[in-house]
Amino acid sequence: GAGVSQSPRYKVAKRGQDVALRCDPISGHVSLFWYQQALGQGPEFLTYFQNEAQLDKSGLPSDRFFAERPEGSVSTLKIQRTQQEDSAVYLCASSLVMSGRGSYEQYFGPGTRLTVT
Amino acid sequence: SQQGEEDPQALSIQEGENATMNCSYKTSINNLQWYRQNSGRGLVHLILIRSNEREKHSGRLRVTLDTSKKSSSLLITASRAADTASYFCATDAGGSGAGSYQLTFGKGTKLSVIP
Repeated sequence: GAGVSQSPRYKVAKRGQDVALRCDPISGHVSLFWYQQALGQGPEFLTYFQNEAQLDKSGLPSDRFFAERPEGSVSTLKIQRTQQEDSAVYLCASSLVMSGRGSYEQYFGPGTRLTVT
Repeated sequence: SQQGEEDPQALSIQEGENATMNCSYKTSINNLQWYRQNSGRGLVHLILIRSNEREKHSGRLRVTLDTSKKSSSLLITASRAADTASYFCATDAGGSGAGSYQLTFGKGTKLSVIP
């Protein structure tokens, strides 16, 4: 079956430009996560959606970062006025929701590699 | 911030040998997961172990969890060249009020299996 897809796979932006990164989660997955992965590091949490509701955005590094999931499926991560420190791979993951204690595995997309020049 | 620390940072072994990677974490967890990442690709889930479990197997993988020491290990037996990748542990502390189940990753172990 289709996995998580992300587009574009690569994006080069000049400093100050706005970018939009798209994520198509696995059909039926209620939970959607965005992570940022710097070179040589593990992914770091940015934000989480349950359906269309953004329930946790504690990892967004600044108010230049904005994410939405208006219909509870496709999500867009937008970065305004990009800076060089925004250069990273942005990973999207989706998961089934589990009530109570514990969680399901997260299925990751291939990521979007953003380079800000 | 990174929760887990994998050890070693890099590991090089011959095909057929076993590879052991360790992970330490700082706070209480609901479960711990191991992921693999091939160069330039997304992460692939390998195995999930819950906080009330001590050991779990999946094919050539064996994971242990010691919550008293806040540590876990991943053993890959009879390694193959295709196992070459970075391996990350990730912890889930459970719903932070909103039930986000966000994962907190370590920095990873880079495994090279030489044919």
